[in-house]
Amino acid sequence: GAGVSQSPSNKVTEKGKDVELRCDPISGHTALYWYRQSLGQGLEFLIYFQGNSAPDKSGLPSDRFSAERTGGSVSTLTIQRTQQEDSAVYLCASSLASSGAQHFGDGTRLSIL
Amino acid sequence: TQLLEQSPQFLSIQEGENLTVYCNSSSVFSSLQWYRQEPGEGPVLLVTVVTGGEVKKLKRLTFQFGDARKDSSLHITAAQPGDTGLYLCAGTTGGTSYGKLTFGQGTILTVHP
Repeated sequence: GAGVSQSPSNKVTEKGKDVELRCDPISGHTALYWYRQSLGQGLEFLIYFQGNSAPDKSGLPSDRFSAERTGGSVSTLTIQRTQQEDSAVYLCASSLASSGAQHFGDGTRLSIL
Repeated sequence: TQLLEQSPQFLSIQEGENLTVYCNSSSVFSSLQWYRQEPGEGPVLLVTVVTGGEVKKLKRLTFQFGDARKDSSLHITAAQPGDTGLYLCAGTTGGTSYGKLTFGQGTILTVHP
């Protein structure tokens, strides 16, 4: 597709379970970002991949959160031992290395029961 | 930590009215970006401003970056119901217009016919 694709679009899981969220960036975009959007906190940066450089993990809220990007394309955000405060919309964006224009997917709405 | 204070949080106006949304910080940003987000979708970039004092126009929308690059404003002339949505300002640091974004809390705009 032409845009950033995220799956699943919705995820409901029980507290304590692990979840994996997937992001397919726009083809050719070397930069990939994960953000979290919640009512109380707004839109927060989580992690940023740029080419083969070490990712900027400065926004990850705890060591339960991790992300990887395989082959410079698809990325997976993993949340272990989910807590209710992890409920939010997780947004992925991608951009060309030299451009500030981040293109966002429609997000994964995560609900922790 | 760089923070962006966005105001007002909510704006409800009649079609044809003008409005201004403000984005302020005590920190200097390398660039300021404005996004618009509709329910169930990711944010869509409207404009990027990078030079202090810069003014950009996009049809009925006028964006301004403060001289000191600490604040920005979005002015909409003759608002239309199609302008309804969540408006977000976001900034980058580190001397570039790309990289991780720090977002304001957003302004929910409702334009009534």
